[in-house]
Amino acid sequence: DSGVTQTPKHLITATGQRVTLRCSPRSGDLSVYWYQQSLDQGLQFLIQYYNGEERAKGNILERFSAQQFPDLHSELNLSSLELGDSALYFCASSVGSRATDTQYFGPGTRLTVL
Amino acid sequence: GQQVMQIPQYQHVQEGEDFTTYCNSSTTLSNIQWYKQRPGGHPVFLIQLVKSGEVKKQKRLTFQFGEAKKNSSLHITATQTTDVGTYFCAGGKREAGTALIFGKGTTLSVSS
Repeated sequence: DSGVTQTPKHLITATGQRVTLRCSPRSGDLSVYWYQQSLDQGLQFLIQYYNGEERAKGNILERFSAQQFPDLHSELNLSSLELGDSALYFCASSVGSRATDTQYFGPGTRLTVL
Repeated sequence: GQQVMQIPQYQHVQEGEDFTTYCNSSTTLSNIQWYKQRPGGHPVFLIQLVKSGEVKKQKRLTFQFGEAKKNSSLHITATQTTDVGTYFCAGGKREAGTALIFGKGTTLSVSS
């Protein structure tokens, strides 16, 4: 158990819908990262927040948005869902915001878009 | 943009054989991290390398960081069935606003 929690574990929805994925970091960690993992693309970095502020941005679609709240939990919002958005979404956390910080991954949310 | 390439994509070995996965970056890295993801699980941090030419060992696993800090390797000696999973390398850069770039991973299967 990494100490990072993600809800829900599974999510099944239809194309065009909007969903919210939630992540609670390990106690004491200030950074939260979001990743998308699909079979052929490996781990794709989406976005990083550090202490409430956006710190780094990866290949995140405009239909996706995220935020980190004052209690440090984070939410990833996915809208106008397409079949291709079906994937495993991981959240990770770390103490700081540096590339040398160890990232602790949550169990993931499996999103299926029908 | 910066890329981290990892080969091979898949590797099957007989239990007891050795295994190596290679990671190459198009640019110089400040550090490299290795993660392991068991089937159905989430990535788990294994180790970090930060110095040019650094070599670290964890029991049967040996990690190397190249002299130019552009490549790395993970070597497993005498694989066991517990080694199955996907091994990811992730390269970092010191510049603010950048995050670790993960390779696509090498999936290892082991038959007994």
